[in-house]
Amino acid sequence: DGGITQSPKYLFRKEGQNVTLSCEQNLNHDAMYWYRQDPGQGLRLIYYSQIVNDFQKGDIAEGYSVSREKKESFPLTVTSAQKNPTAFYLCASTPAGYGTNYGYTFGSGTRLTVV
Amino acid sequence: DQQVKQNSPSLSVQEGRISILNCDYTNSMFDYFLWYKKYPAEGPTFLISISSIKDKNEDGRFTVFLNKSAKHLSLHIVPSQPGDSAVYFCAARKGGSEKLVFGKGTKLTVNP
Repeated sequence: DGGITQSPKYLFRKEGQNVTLSCEQNLNHDAMYWYRQDPGQGLRLIYYSQIVNDFQKGDIAEGYSVSREKKESFPLTVTSAQKNPTAFYLCASTPAGYGTNYGYTFGSGTRLTVV
Repeated sequence: DQQVKQNSPSLSVQEGRISILNCDYTNSMFDYFLWYKKYPAEGPTFLISISSIKDKNEDGRFTVFLNKSAKHLSLHIVPSQPGDSAVYFCAARKGGSEKLVFGKGTKLTVNP
């Protein structure tokens, strides 16, 4: 079955540590996205990539970094510079062009908690 | 600047009644609108969409209405079922872009 796999589902990080969230898709989608969800804040765009080896900052990129070395993979690193990293992180993908009429396909998310 | 607004954080309805979720937008460049449904600790799933050239799209119990002049869309669920209880996100896309802009969501509770 095609889809997006995010791992791990739950992640705990000590303050001052970097941590990397995995996102893999086998949908052959060109564009991939990282969103953060906080209570009452909806979904806010962190980074997105429309093609391999290229990515752009979203609305809240500070304290985060990404890479896109393969079409299937778009890992997100939450660095120690991110002041409030505790949140639910969602990865999504869509085909090139206008995408499908369904917009994004989302992964099941990673809950990151700083301890 | 919030381009997509869902002004009601929550909505509670009785089973069998109609649920109406509202969404307003400010950017006239948006030409495609989508609704997603999200359960806790899961990713959002696509529900229904509408192009700006239409004013209504229907899929089973779900209907989305678009009023371009008012920059307003609404999602109607009839009849509402307890399994519809979730957070509903409105999203919009500009022409020529794949990027979606999301509202903050409305938590719908359908009481048995």
